[in-house]
Amino acid sequence: EVQLVQSGAEVTKPGESLKISCKGSGYNFTNYWIGWVRQMPGKGLEWMGIVYPGDSDTKYSPSFEGQVSISVDKSISTAYLQWNSLKASDTAIYFCARLPFTAVTTIYGSTWYGFDAFDMWGQGTLVTVS
Amino acid sequence: SYVLTQPPSVSVAPGQTAKITCGGNDIGIKTVHWYQQKPGQAPVLVVYDDSVRPSGIPERFSGSNSGNTATLIITWVEAGDEADYYCQVWDSSSGRQAVFGGGSTLTVL
Repeated sequence: EVQLVQSGAEVTKPGESLKISCKGSGYNFTNYWIGWVRQMPGKGLEWMGIVYPGDSDTKYSPSFEGQVSISVDKSISTAYLQWNSLKASDTAIYFCARLPFTAVTTIYGSTWYGFDAFDMWGQGTLVTVS
Repeated sequence: SYVLTQPPSVSVAPGQTAKITCGGNDIGIKTVHWYQQKPGQAPVLVVYDDSVRPSGIPERFSGSNSGNTATLIITWVEAGDEADYYCQVWDSSSGRQAVFGGGSTLTVL
């Protein structure tokens, strides 16, 4: 079965560090980017950033750059979202999602990525900071 | 940064057609994706590339995109369609950024 399975709920204190995970299975993990999306209590979806398991390339939302760290270990098909110092305002559900893409090598030798929709989501990880 | 505007709520009677809009500057030249999120569950992709249904999504779900408005259309609405719906695009104006609309709650009367 193709799925993303996230780590369990966490209850932490302000100032603590935390790393949550998202493990892919049933598909070639390096053929898709993985994105992270925040949902604060009673609110909408906010895109945080994405990571490419093939080379660990990351792209962050300006709203979250410097606030979190996104990483990946392709050897175990797992992506991570990490905080060094949590705040009460980080209390939210965090979803990971799979992201299909198209890669085009430009005439300058750089790679341009065309991103599609987030086609599969993890079950979410509730992080409570209190 | 690019902004997507959705109505907070849409109400429709069972069997009727629901239309959920997503407004954005020249959104018609972008590719729009739609997600359904039921309470306590993860989002599910219901329409991608403006109007394409993923495998397993009923034909009742469709989409359109033109000008400054994209629309998710749900025909023959059922009670089980009650959920929050989010539109999403990729914005290249400031790097590659995913942008979500604020979400619309569909209520089946």
